[in-house]
Amino acid sequence: KAGVTQTPRYLIKTRGQQVTLSCSPISGHRSVSWYQQTPGQGLQFLFEYFSETQRNKGNFPGRFSGRQFSNSRSEMNVSTLELGDSALYLCASSPLEGLGYEQYFGPGTRLTVT
Amino acid sequence: QKEVEQNSGPLSVPEGAIASLNCTYSDRGSQSFFWYRQYSGKSPELIMFIYSNGDKEDGRFTAQLNKASQYVSLLIRDSQPSDSATYLCAVVSGGYNKLIFGAGTRLAVHP
Repeated sequence: KAGVTQTPRYLIKTRGQQVTLSCSPISGHRSVSWYQQTPGQGLQFLFEYFSETQRNKGNFPGRFSGRQFSNSRSEMNVSTLELGDSALYLCASSPLEGLGYEQYFGPGTRLTVT
Repeated sequence: QKEVEQNSGPLSVPEGAIASLNCTYSDRGSQSFFWYRQYSGKSPELIMFIYSNGDKEDGRFTAQLNKASQYVSLLIRDSQPSDSATYLCAVVSGGYNKLIFGAGTRLAVHP
């Protein structure tokens, strides 16, 4: 079974721009979660989607948003990029709704904001 | 107090020894606990999950959970150099609405 895929793998953007990241979950998985990983803050939960609805949300500003499509693929959008948004963005999928079950991570998208 | 705490390490163990990694959490209502392994430059890989008090074994790995003391640990038996990585403890909050990761413990297994 193919794993979680994320595109693009690397991205360089300028402060003030916006960016959209994409995630395709493992086949049959309907829950998709997004995380931000930085050296200073570690791995932080952004949000979780299930059946096209946001189910849970972490403590990030409204500039961070996401959506999920009927085929369970998900996108994450960051508007008005700041230098501090430079991070590895990870997507994880799970076969069940909610955060209480095992999640499988994709390879991540490395975002650099200059 | 951090919600999930881990010793950053590095924890250095000789090849063949048992590596013991510990994690404490603050939310007494937490019900789901996970251990992930992350190699440098790679994404986290799920190793173990545990929901009930006690031990859970999978190959060379054993997860131990003590909800009364609010800690969860991971034992790696017969440690190999390929086990050298950062191990992340993750805890789901009591309301199941947050998944909180510890900062990770770096494990170094030397031949």
